[in-house]
Amino acid sequence: GQQLNQSPQSMFIQEGEDVSMNCTSSSIFNTWLWYKQDPGEGPVLLIALYKAGELTSNGRLTAQFGITRKDSFLNISASIPSDVGIYFCAGYKAAGNKLTFGGGTRVLVKP
Amino acid sequence: DAGVTQSPTHLIKTRGQQVTLRCSPKSGHDTVSWYQQALGQGPQFIFQYYEEEERQRGNFPDRFSGHQFPNYSSELNVNALLLGDSALYLCASSLPVGTVDGYTFGSGTRLTVV
Repeated sequence: GQQLNQSPQSMFIQEGEDVSMNCTSSSIFNTWLWYKQDPGEGPVLLIALYKAGELTSNGRLTAQFGITRKDSFLNISASIPSDVGIYFCAGYKAAGNKLTFGGGTRVLVKP
Repeated sequence: DAGVTQSPTHLIKTRGQQVTLRCSPKSGHDTVSWYQQALGQGPQFIFQYYEEEERQRGNFPDRFSGHQFPNYSSELNVNALLLGDSALYLCASSLPVGTVDGYTFGSGTRLTVV
């Protein structure tokens, strides 16, 4: 089963709002990644984090690699309609060259 | 430069049947990994192929098998299909030892077992 716990499971956004989601793990990862998946598509990499404590930005996205190497968060500032989708965290261990994914955070637009 | 391509995009099979899914990696990549994504969940690692051999395997039964060809393309085979095998099957290609941000996913094959 999943080793990564991602929260919240879903959230509603209004254009212009900042949103935040996080991911925790029972084990240590060398690298943390955040992906976005749109309907009918595979996951697309948003941000990769390589060192504990690292804070990295990609446009309106900011992510941090936790000091313990067991957690990470992703912030989206000034959300826009195209931010809707499912966001996944993933942990990577070089020894296995494979990704372990969280359950995803579904971002929806407030009606 | 084509990314990862998967075929078919959608497939419907009956319980007990067998299915083969195909994947062509991104140009320059020689490692192919397969993931199963059930509805509403994150992808789960099935196995990985490099140099035509299975190098890593996740917690999936032997009904799931694969193959990698000399041109690095890969197939995923599932025997004796169960209803619970219905999922999006994702292929990802990469270099065997490299930065993980080169790990590239295809759009997947949606398998429905009825």
